[in-house]
Amino acid sequence: EVQLVESGGGLVQPGGSLRLSCAASGFTFSDHYMDWVRQAPGKGLEWVGRIRNKANSYTTEYAASVQDRFTISRDDSKNSLYLQMNSLKSEDTAVYYCTRDRGSGWYVLDYWGQGSLVSVSS
Amino acid sequence: DIQMTQSPSSLSASVGDRVTITCRASQSISSFLNWYQQKPGKAPKLLIYAASSLQSGVPSRFSGSGSGTDFTLTVSSLQPEDFATYYCQQSYITPRTFGQGTKVEIK
Repeated sequence: EVQLVESGGGLVQPGGSLRLSCAASGFTFSDHYMDWVRQAPGKGLEWVGRIRNKANSYTTEYAASVQDRFTISRDDSKNSLYLQMNSLKSEDTAVYYCTRDRGSGWYVLDYWGQGSLVSVSS
Repeated sequence: DIQMTQSPSSLSASVGDRVTITCRASQSISSFLNWYQQKPGKAPKLLIYAASSLQSGVPSRFSGSGSGTDFTLTVSSLQPEDFATYYCQQSYITPRTFGQGTKVEIK
């Protein structure tokens, strides 16, 4: 059974940093691209970014709203995905979801974690 | 960025109704269109990918159609567990933008 479990969320002051982790199991993690998606309270879904697999040089892409502040990384030996968030702003307050790209070439997010809440407030 | 516009933003329907939600892209995205269902307090769930392919395990009352810029999600006979918010997402280019969501409520 595919499972994605996020951790590391919490309350942080504006300008602060936080790192989210996502533990993956039930599939060959190293084969898949992985994405982060967020959802502000009461709002819709916003794509944050993605990291490709080793075969594609672990390249990353980001939404403009987080470019240069957020960094996505992965450790295939630990089946783990990370989101390093720096220079946090109040508008970064959201539930952050770890998602798996199914790998079909259609860039489909077929499994989602339960989400981790990040609150940015003084 | 490609803008995704869903309509309606919300709708009220009864069990057994046929429900259609539309999603329009600001430019052609071929068939790179996915639909997700989200229930309160839960993570989104993939329903339809590549515009019309049903995700494994999803009931056949859900169907998707369209290509280019105009897409639809149809629920042929609404069930109590289908009351939720539905999002379309384009996976044609980065950033992979979502529609604003359509909330399906009980009439």
